[in-house]
Amino acid sequence: AQSVTQLDSHVSVSEGTPVLLRCNYSSSYSPSLFWYVQHPNKGLQLLLKYTSAATLVKGINGFEAEFKKSETSFHLTKPSAHMSDAAEYFCVVSFNFGNEKLTFGTGTRLTIIP
Amino acid sequence: EAQVTQNPRYLITVTGKKLTVTCSQNMNHEYMSWYRQDPGLGLRQIYYSMNVEVTDKGDVPEGYKVSRKEKRNFPLILESPSPNQTSLYFCASSTRLAGGYEQYFGPGTRLTVT
Repeated sequence: AQSVTQLDSHVSVSEGTPVLLRCNYSSSYSPSLFWYVQHPNKGLQLLLKYTSAATLVKGINGFEAEFKKSETSFHLTKPSAHMSDAAEYFCVVSFNFGNEKLTFGTGTRLTIIP
Repeated sequence: EAQVTQNPRYLITVTGKKLTVTCSQNMNHEYMSWYRQDPGLGLRQIYYSMNVEVTDKGDVPEGYKVSRKEKRNFPLILESPSPNQTSLYFCASSTRLAGGYEQYFGPGTRLTVT
């Protein structure tokens, strides 16, 4: 079975400071991992994905995430927060073969303080 | 423009009155899926389809039906809606799921059942 745990339901940071959104996963097989962002009243947009290539993945809008197999983690970071980053972020896991199912984390709401 | 469309975007209905939420994609994707989003629970998969005439249950299929008669369309049917189906619904499509292909999400349908 696979699962995803987002360790913080809500994160607040000041504009211009670093962002860290934490995600741990459980998967019996080699996983694919994604971060999606949902802005208020919008659908979900892919930020970045890991598919067993480079462990440090760069995404859109300055976000990046590092796959750490030993820690079963895929934390999302950004060096400097912008007001437009305020949104809900979802960590998602899927298998690399066979099972056609995505498993979503419960989400982290990011608030940016001016 | 490549997109997933859903209709209606907002719907208020009464208990027991059958309804259909349509979903259409113009990217020739094989894989389509329905999710519901509830506060604190993230997105949970209702049903998915890996191709025409091939559908399968996700995590929360009770009270829902789907059909996939054409590749581009994947309607969600609530035969007898109940208040616990009040939620935000998303349709998504992808080339595949295994191997880390991105899912493209529709804008969402907010359903209220009174």
